[in-house]
Amino acid sequence: QVQLVQSGAEVKKPGASVKVSCKASGYTFSNYGMSWVRQAPGQGLEWVGWISAYSGNTDYAQKFQGRVTMTTDTSTSTGYMELRSLRSDDTAVYFCVRDTAASGAADPSHWGQGTLVTVSS
Amino acid sequence: VVMTQSPLSLPVTLGQPASISCRSSQSLVYSDGNTYLTWFQQRPGQSPRRLIYKISNRDSGVPDRFSGSGSGTDFILKISRVEAEDVGVYYCMHGTHWPPGSGYTFGQGTKLEIK
Repeated sequence: QVQLVQSGAEVKKPGASVKVSCKASGYTFSNYGMSWVRQAPGQGLEWVGWISAYSGNTDYAQKFQGRVTMTTDTSTSTGYMELRSLRSDDTAVYFCVRDTAASGAADPSHWGQGTLVTVSS
Repeated sequence: VVMTQSPLSLPVTLGQPASISCRSSQSLVYSDGNTYLTWFQQRPGQSPRRLIYKISNRDSGVPDRFSGSGSGTDFILKISRVEAEDVGVYYCMHGTHWPPGSGYTFGQGTKLEIK
């Protein structure tokens, strides 16, 4: 069965960076992409960006352009999201989501368990 | 694309039906002829779980009391008989990775609770 297992909770100071990992199993990693979605406390869902594990192509939400980098390691079936210059309003649970490999219609299916990133001085 | 859900709060008696509406600001019909409208359920303290994809296709393991319908810009998620385990927030969502920056757009979420 498809599983996405994320790294543990992080506490960071404003201005720092965080890198969250998402290890996939139960499917051929390079045939799919991975999106990242975040959820601030008590709020709705917000898309951060997407990477194709097949091509390496990325697509980031405009508000995160220049601050986020997504990568994949097909040898370990792991996706990574790095967010820099953290601010207090980046405090949220970050989810990885299995998605399509191609640029086109998105098809999110399976979600990781989420990683809480807390930004506080 | 803007996705608008209603109602935002949905108190339902156990065993009664429930219905959530999702309206998009533009047609969600993609160039391949499919309509990529997805419904997710998020139970308290859990990750979202996909229930329905491409308007009306139920995911494996999703009870058949859940159904999706609609076309173009108007979509509905129906629960034929609400059970206690259905408590949570339901989101509709559309997504595309072209043009760049489009990404996912979620509705605001509908919180279903038991009356």
